[in-house]
Amino acid sequence: QVHLVQSGAEVKEPGASVKVSCKASGYTFVSYGISWVRQVPGQGLEWMGWISGYNYRTDYSQKFQGRVTVTTEISTGTAYMELRSLRNDDTAVYYCARVRWAADAFDYWGQGTLVTVSS
Amino acid sequence: EIVLTQSPATLSLSPGGRATLSCGASQSVSNNYLAWYQQKPGLAPRLLIYDASSRATGIPDRFSGSGSGTDFTLTISRLEPEDFAVYYCQQYGTAPSTFGQGTKVDIK
Repeated sequence: QVHLVQSGAEVKEPGASVKVSCKASGYTFVSYGISWVRQVPGQGLEWMGWISGYNYRTDYSQKFQGRVTVTTEISTGTAYMELRSLRNDDTAVYYCARVRWAADAFDYWGQGTLVTVSS
Repeated sequence: EIVLTQSPATLSLSPGGRATLSCGASQSVSNNYLAWYQQKPGLAPRLLIYDASSRATGIPDRFSGSGSGTDFTLTISRLEPEDFAVYYCQQYGTAPSTFGQGTKVDIK
């Protein structure tokens, strides 16, 4: 059974960084990539970036380019998303999701991690 | 980037009714790489349909997707109580992947 389990809620001050983890189980980690999507409370979904499960290739939304980095640790089957220079409007639920490749639907999702940015 | 416009914003229906949700794209969706998701409050989205018309694993056959190019439809043939939720379309044929703003299906 496929599971993606994310790290817990975070509270950060403006200008800080946050790193969210996403631990995968129930499938061969290197056979799939991981995408990151965020959802501002009460609003829609926004794709942030993607990483291949086996060759560390990445792709980022231009909106977040330069502020976001996605990585993987193949030995533990864990993906990470780091967002820097946080602003109040980065307050959102951040999701990881499994994908077969960069252009793919998201078939399994993590439970989400609420990141609150507030001074 | 491709803009997806969903209509209506809210659909008020009774259990047992038929729901028809629309998703229009600002340009043609490559390879009809269009997905539909269901989201309930406090939960992550769930994949219903991918490649415009293929049902995801475990999705009941009352959910169906159709369309091509710039116009896509999600149909729920007979609404069950658990189907009242927000539905999003997503295109993944052209980077960056984009989502529609959602259609809320609520109980009339």
